[in-house]
Amino acid sequence: EAQVTQNPRYLITVTGKKLTVTCSQNMNHEYMSWYRQDPGLGLRQIYYSMNVEVTDKGDVPEGYKVSRKEKRNFPLILESPSPNQTSLYFCASSLSWTGPRATQYFGPGTRLTVL
Amino acid sequence: GQSLEQPSEVTAVEGAIVQINCTYQTSGFYGLSWYQQHDGGAPTFLSYNALDGLEETGRFSSFLSRSDSYGYLLLQELQMKDSASYFCAVREDSNYQLIWGAGTKLIIKP
Repeated sequence: EAQVTQNPRYLITVTGKKLTVTCSQNMNHEYMSWYRQDPGLGLRQIYYSMNVEVTDKGDVPEGYKVSRKEKRNFPLILESPSPNQTSLYFCASSLSWTGPRATQYFGPGTRLTVL
Repeated sequence: GQSLEQPSEVTAVEGAIVQINCTYQTSGFYGLSWYQQHDGGAPTFLSYNALDGLEETGRFSSFLSRSDSYGYLLLQELQMKDSASYFCAVREDSNYQLIWGAGTKLIIKP
């Protein structure tokens, strides 16, 4: 089944404790991205990746890191989480970055709480 | 700056037709997309418009006017399962980002 998977689905942690949210897609997609979703603010892009070893900042990259060592995986790293990073996080992938091939396929989401 | 505006909430009756508008202000334009998100779920793709006009997919249609920087999603024969949030999104040409509206919560009453 073609899908984007994220783990963990739920996470409660404390300020300053490094964490990684994994994202994997099995559709051979070039483009992957991370979003955070907060009430009333819609989806805001954190980082995106055009291909292996190619990443760039989105609108809200502060406090996050990513890597794209393999085409299928795009982990999101919070080196020192803070309470303002409490949010719902989505990973998404698409064949390309423009046109109909830019249709985003989303993972199920990770609800993160930082105490 | 870049922005997309859509109503925060729309209410309609089951079986009726509803239109959700989206106006955008971006430095470039590579197409307008619509996504649906049910409470607790992930966004799912509904439609994509790159050229002016109407695109129809079953009960859902999407319209684009590039000269007006405006588009809308039209939902016909509303069903209770259409209760969800709907997001418009635009791809710019200045970078590879997808810019999203804040979403419209569609409330359907019996």
